[in-house]
Amino acid sequence: QQPVQSPQAVILREGEDAVINCSSSKALYSVHWYRQKHGEAPVFLMILLKGGEQKGHEKISASFNEKKQQSSLYLTASQLSYSGTYFCGTEGGLTGGGNKLTFGTGTQLKVEL
Amino acid sequence: NAGVTQTPKFQVLKTGQSMTLQCAQDMNHEYMSWYRQDPGMGLRLIHYSVGAGITDQGEVPNGYNVSRSTTEDFPLRLLSAAPSQTSVYFCASSYDLNSPLHFGNGTRLTVT
Repeated sequence: QQPVQSPQAVILREGEDAVINCSSSKALYSVHWYRQKHGEAPVFLMILLKGGEQKGHEKISASFNEKKQQSSLYLTASQLSYSGTYFCGTEGGLTGGGNKLTFGTGTQLKVEL
Repeated sequence: NAGVTQTPKFQVLKTGQSMTLQCAQDMNHEYMSWYRQDPGMGLRLIHYSVGAGITDQGEVPNGYNVSRSTTEDFPLRLLSAAPSQTSVYFCASSYDLNSPLHFGNGTRLTVT
């Protein structure tokens, strides 16, 4: 089943903060976060793994609550370049199985001056 | 490194025609996958591979075939195109199951 992302859309003024949530109905091994600009390919932001390991960009932070099967992406001091659609991708199971991600439907974020 | 290269960038097919979407990566990644992206649906997994000679179905495999004869290439075949296959197709690769996906630039396919 597809993870549920919230909010569906958000508009920020430059410098404001935002939180994007991703919730799954099944136990998760990993959560990925990607950003996609219009007409372009998704770009990697963060991986959060069962057990606490995280890999990603220094300026991006995220959390992974394994018990609640939820992840949140924290965008602080937003810049115009943060605009785009944010997707979470999840993989279930105890050990993962090949990066077979199930993606949410996305959160559209727009940063304005 | 070129990364993940997809060809063609755009394609128009008539219903019933077949074609192959090409995907190649030069990063020596073992894991490769195909996703389709439709408005409001996010990315949905079509097929994936964990190494040369090994493929398996994803969420929406019907109407598509794949093969993985080399580590570098992972072509996606549309057997008999249908209007429901109009979509943007992304190929992705990763080093292992705990690594980020690297996406190609996509193929925009229209079936009339």
